[in-house]
Amino acid sequence: QSALTQPPSASASPGESVTVSCTGTNSDIGGYDYVSWYQHHPGKAPRALIYEVTKRASGVPPRFSASKSANVASLTVSGLQPDDEATYFCSSYAGNNDWIFGGGTKLTVL
Amino acid sequence: QVRLQESGPELVKPSQTLSLTCSVSGGSIRSGGHYWSWIRQHPGEGLEWIGYIYYSGNTHYNPSLERRLTISIDTTKSHFSLNVASVTAADTAVYFCARLSVVGRHFDYWGQGAPVTVSS
Repeated sequence: QSALTQPPSASASPGESVTVSCTGTNSDIGGYDYVSWYQHHPGKAPRALIYEVTKRASGVPPRFSASKSANVASLTVSGLQPDDEATYFCSSYAGNNDWIFGGGTKLTVL
Repeated sequence: QVRLQESGPELVKPSQTLSLTCSVSGGSIRSGGHYWSWIRQHPGEGLEWIGYIYYSGNTHYNPSLERRLTISIDTTKSHFSLNVASVTAADTAVYFCARLSVVGRHFDYWGQGAPVTVSS
């Protein structure tokens, strides 16, 4: 299995919105509605943001939203705040009780 | 609030076995519907799922790593462990433990990660 494809970086100014893509195949993103997104600040534990493509994890504000179309999943962060600066990973169930992750997108809040 | 904490040596020599332990607190390691997982991140790269174990001892491993992996669990001590045999420099990574939830099939709690370098 190859890793899911994410852009290595993204940036936007405070208050703006940014969308991060995650591209897979019919064997993972396109085959199951089990896409999840994670936020990772360096040195801290990654935090689950989204699961089952669109559902926000407990305590995650509505500024974080996500969707999927065919083999591409997307995470949108609206009303950017300085603390949103982090690396964002996508993940998908890949069948056979296997999981696959993306390479991560480092989001910079300008 | 479930908390996970990795522990183990930061430096391992080539050909030796990498051993890490993840301590679970704030929740039961015997809870149904959760699988205790290991994930790693190579320097400058994305995440790689390694495998998981259920409290019953059932395991499932990443096929690309399976022949060198052992994941075990001690429910009395509320921890689970990872052994990677015959390590090489390619096993240098930050190793995370995480809880995989059957609901939504996602990793809902993570540890901070343990850096491991394979070098002589």
